[in-house]
Amino acid sequence: QQQVKQSPQSLIVQKGGISIINCAYENTAFDYFPWYQQFPGKGPALLIAIRPDVSEKKEGRFTISFNKSAKQFSLHIMDSQPGDSATYFCAARATGSARQLTFGSGTQLTVLP
Amino acid sequence: NAGVTQTPKFQVLKTGQSMTLQCAQDMNHEYMSWYRQDPGMGLRLIHYSVGAGITDQGEVPNGYNVSRSTTEDFPLRLLSAAPSQTSVYFCASSERGGHTGELFFGEGSRLTVL
Repeated sequence: QQQVKQSPQSLIVQKGGISIINCAYENTAFDYFPWYQQFPGKGPALLIAIRPDVSEKKEGRFTISFNKSAKQFSLHIMDSQPGDSATYFCAARATGSARQLTFGSGTQLTVLP
Repeated sequence: NAGVTQTPKFQVLKTGQSMTLQCAQDMNHEYMSWYRQDPGMGLRLIHYSVGAGITDQGEVPNGYNVSRSTTEDFPLRLLSAAPSQTSVYFCASSERGGHTGELFFGEGSRLTVL
């Protein structure tokens, strides 16, 4: 079962544009929502994360928007750069779990120069 | 700082062969886990451990065994490899008590089963 649905599967953006990746979850017991960034040949690395008691979190050019009632959250990359080209995964962790994360299917982002 | 180290990086097996993917972390993390990454499927949890001597199954445990005899090491064993186990495998660790729950991943082991 896929409890975290991610879209789009791939995304092409011009340099300087805004990249938007969306995720929706089904389990209302999730209490932590991180985004991971993965470059080719490397393991995923934590990019930014949010808890459901806030609606938005911003770190530099990266922003998470969170809609608890709709059970959706999204990653916005402002002023996208070619160096942002990577695969992005959203994830969610259930309350009380032993740190297991449920990941979305991933979005391959390409930023054109 | 080595972080999470996985070996081997690449491996080719024939159907029915067995092998062990090694994972070691030097951050004294209690929690360790194995994921497999397949196109369009994201990362799926195979097995995890919350401390030495304690392991549990994840979403896709069939065909894999794990053990955790030390805090540092968490090997993944394929008992009888099948083509369906062709994938990229990632080991990850985190502080069990850490409030962020950030997972630190290794660089992956690419396995091909013929």
